[in-house]
Amino acid sequence: NAGVTQTPKFQVLKTGQSMTLQCAQDMNHNSMYWYRQDPGMGLRLIYYSASEGTTDKGEVPNGYNVSRLNKREFSLRLESAAPSQTSVYFCASSEQPYEQYFGPGTRLTVT
Amino acid sequence: DQQVKQNSPSLSVQEGRISILNCDYTNSMFDYFLWYKKYPAEGPTFLISISSIKDKNEDGRFTVFLNKSAKHLSLHIVPSQPGDSAVYFCAASAYGNKLVFGAGTILRVKS
Repeated sequence: NAGVTQTPKFQVLKTGQSMTLQCAQDMNHNSMYWYRQDPGMGLRLIYYSASEGTTDKGEVPNGYNVSRLNKREFSLRLESAAPSQTSVYFCASSEQPYEQYFGPGTRLTVT
Repeated sequence: DQQVKQNSPSLSVQEGRISILNCDYTNSMFDYFLWYKKYPAEGPTFLISISSIKDKNEDGRFTVFLNKSAKHLSLHIVPSQPGDSAVYFCAASAYGNKLVFGAGTILRVKS
């Protein structure tokens, strides 16, 4: 039982490049989330998916797109990376609306 | 405007003593509060929660207190252990809605 897995663990991009962060969960949860963590800012919600086939914007969605591929997988795409997107990205899943289970994170640097 | 505030960026406590982490919120619609713990290079993990109908919830060494009139909650860890050294995030939700996180407090427990 792996819980929530994320790939890659680390990534360095040049400004303007694109990439997709992958997330998968094996707990059969309906809801999945993408957060970014920045120093002094806590965890801020980028996008979430309440159930398979639905996605909604969170607090900081600009510059990102998401895909809920199936119940297990929820990907985050940066179409044209900017230095302001340098951050640690966490994926989470939950069944109940409160207790979320987090992946280990992806550390992204945009130069 | 930050709806969930953790005003102490860091806290240092001697092993065996009590650690008190504080959190303030501004949104009176919040009805559920959680604490998450995060070690370096790992995702946050759920620690303890409290509903707004209660003023205290205890789980082993961890107790969360809620003061609704002051819009304040606190996490008490007694006794503190070196393994408790981590970043602690306070989070809140309104009626099963998305979690809103505070900026986090770094706890260091000295042996």
